[in-house]
Formats: sequence, C-alpha cells, structure tokens
Amino acid sequence: QVQLQESGPGLVKPSETLSLTCAVSGYSISSGYYWGWIRQPPGKGLEWIGSIYHSGSTYYNPSLKSRVTISVDTSKNQFSLKLSSVTAADTAVYYCARVEGANHLDYWGQGTLVTVSS
Amino acid sequence: DIQLTQSPSFLSASVGDRVTITCRASQGISSYLAWYQQKPGKAPKLLIYAASTLQSGVPSRFSGSGSGTEFTLTISSLQPEDFATYYCQQLNSYLFTFGPGTKVDIK
Repeated sequence: QVQLQESGPGLVKPSETLSLTCAVSGYSISSGYYWGWIRQPPGKGLEWIGSIYHSGSTYYNPSLKSRVTISVDTSKNQFSLKLSSVTAADTAVYYCARVEGANHLDYWGQGTLVTVSS
Repeated sequence: DIQLTQSPSFLSASVGDRVTITCRASQGISSYLAWYQQKPGKAPKLLIYAASTLQSGVPSRFSGSGSGTEFTLTISSLQPEDFATYYCQQLNSYLFTFGPGTKVDIK
C-alpha cells in the first residue's frame, strides 16, 4: 500500500522560505510516476503547486512558478517543496500526492497545515 | 490555461436522493477529468478518473460521464457518508486545474 507523509515546520515567518518534505513508503519513487504538491487555504478550494518526475523533470503552476522549487531524493524515497518569499496568503494545508496515469492523483498524504505569521 | 467551473456550488439533499454535479471546462479536454470527495479535515479521495472510470474500492453508486467540455458526477442514492465537498480536476500539458468545489449538505 502506497503511503505519503508530509513533514516540515508548521509556522513560517513572512518573507521566509517554506520547506516541506513528502516521504513515500510502499513504492519506490525511482520506479516511475510523477509526484505532486497541492495546497488548500483554510475554507477554500484546492490549488495545484507543481509536480516532479523521478528523473527530476518538473512542472509548476504558472502563478507560483517564480517562487517554487520541487526536488526529489530517490535515495531517501522522498520529494520536497520550497516556496520562497511567503506571505499570509500562503497559509494553507499542504498535501503531497502521486500522479497516476499522468493525469489524476490516486494517493494523498494526510496534509500539513503551514501558517505564515510573524 | 484551462478553467473548470462546477454547478451547483452548494446543494442540500436527503439520504436516498439522486444527486448530479456538473463540471464544465473552458476548452475541450477529451476525457481527462477526475472527481474527488473531500470530508472536513481529510485529504481528497479519488472517486473517478478518465471521466467515467470508478477508482478501486469506490461504491458503485458513484458514476461519472461526459467528454469534451461538460462532465457530470452522479450519486445514485445518497448515503450519510456521502455528505462532503466534491471537486473535479483536469490535467492539460502537465498543468493541473481543480474546480471550485460543490458542497453536498444534509437537507
């Protein structure tokens, strides 16, 4: 059974960089699939942040592209998100997920709330 | 960018009701549409992909249809555990978009 688990600081100061990691178990990232990050501000809808392939190829939401970096560490079977210059608008639950068939998300982490506040 | 709209935004229904949610795309997306169910405090759960394929383990009362720009999610007989928010999602040129969601509440 594929499982994903997000981890990282729950509180980030404005203008700093948000950093999260998604640990994958039950499947080897190096075997394939794209892996993605999605966020959800409190009480709002879902927003895709970006995706990465095991080879390192990335695709980002154009609205966040200038601030986002997604990387993969196949030796640790995990992938990571960095979002720079955060503001209160970046406060959200951040999810990681697996992209199946190149077009839908079949396994999700439980999500982690990141609050941007001084 | 392809935009998705959903209607209604909110619906109130009773147990046993047949419920239909519509998702419209701003341009044709063939059948590359998925539906998710999200309950408060939980991650979204994949229900349907490729417009009409039921994800393994999802009850058969859920069904999807459509292609091109108009898609529907139908719950044939609403159960107590189905009260949740439903999102559609598409992928085009490796860029994902989600619909704004439809909240299904108890009448």
